[in-house]
Amino acid sequence: NAGVTQTPKFQVLKTGQSMTLQCAQDMNHEYMSWYRQDPGMGLRLIHYSVGAGITDQGEVPNGYNVSRSTTEDFPLRLLSAAPSQTSVYFCASTADRGVGNTIYFGEGSWLTVV
Amino acid sequence: GQQVMQIPQYQHVQEGEDFTTYCNSSTTLSNIQWYKQRPGGHPVFLIQLVKSGEVKKQKRLTFQFGEAKKNSSLHITATQTTDVGTYFCAGGDSGYALNFGKGTSLLVTP
Repeated sequence: NAGVTQTPKFQVLKTGQSMTLQCAQDMNHEYMSWYRQDPGMGLRLIHYSVGAGITDQGEVPNGYNVSRSTTEDFPLRLLSAAPSQTSVYFCASTADRGVGNTIYFGEGSWLTVV
Repeated sequence: GQQVMQIPQYQHVQEGEDFTTYCNSSTTLSNIQWYKQRPGGHPVFLIQLVKSGEVKKQKRLTFQFGEAKKNSSLHITATQTTDVGTYFCAGGDSGYALNFGKGTSLLVTP
């Protein structure tokens, strides 16, 4: 049981380049989210999805796009990378919108933009 | 928007001492969740509290949700070196769109 799988684990980009962070879960969870974590800032919500074909913006969506064509996958696209997007990115999934269900996080993707 | 604040930012204890971190929200929370993140690791879900005044225990960890559902605490009794990490609280109306506090980093020295 892999849980939530993120790739790549580490990536260095040049300013202006684009890339996609992959996230896949094998638990048939409806709900998936992307967060970024910066030193001393906790985790901030970028985008989330409540099911295939449905996405919405979180607290810090600018510069990122998402899509949810299948239940399993929720990729995060950086359109034109900027140094301010240097961060650790975590994907999360859960089976339920509210009470009682565990939220699972992937192991993270460390992104550096130079 | 909703803001979730945590104190203290850092805590350094000797092994065997107790530890408490506090979480306060600017608005009433429908639920609050607690996570632990080891250095270099990912957040691991610990617990979710839903009811006003709720208290839950997991071995040496005690979680409380305030009567007004605007604050919460995590207390660790007799810390061990394995408790090292950052503890986050998170609130939100759902389990998938959370507002995280900035966390309390716990260092335990033997």
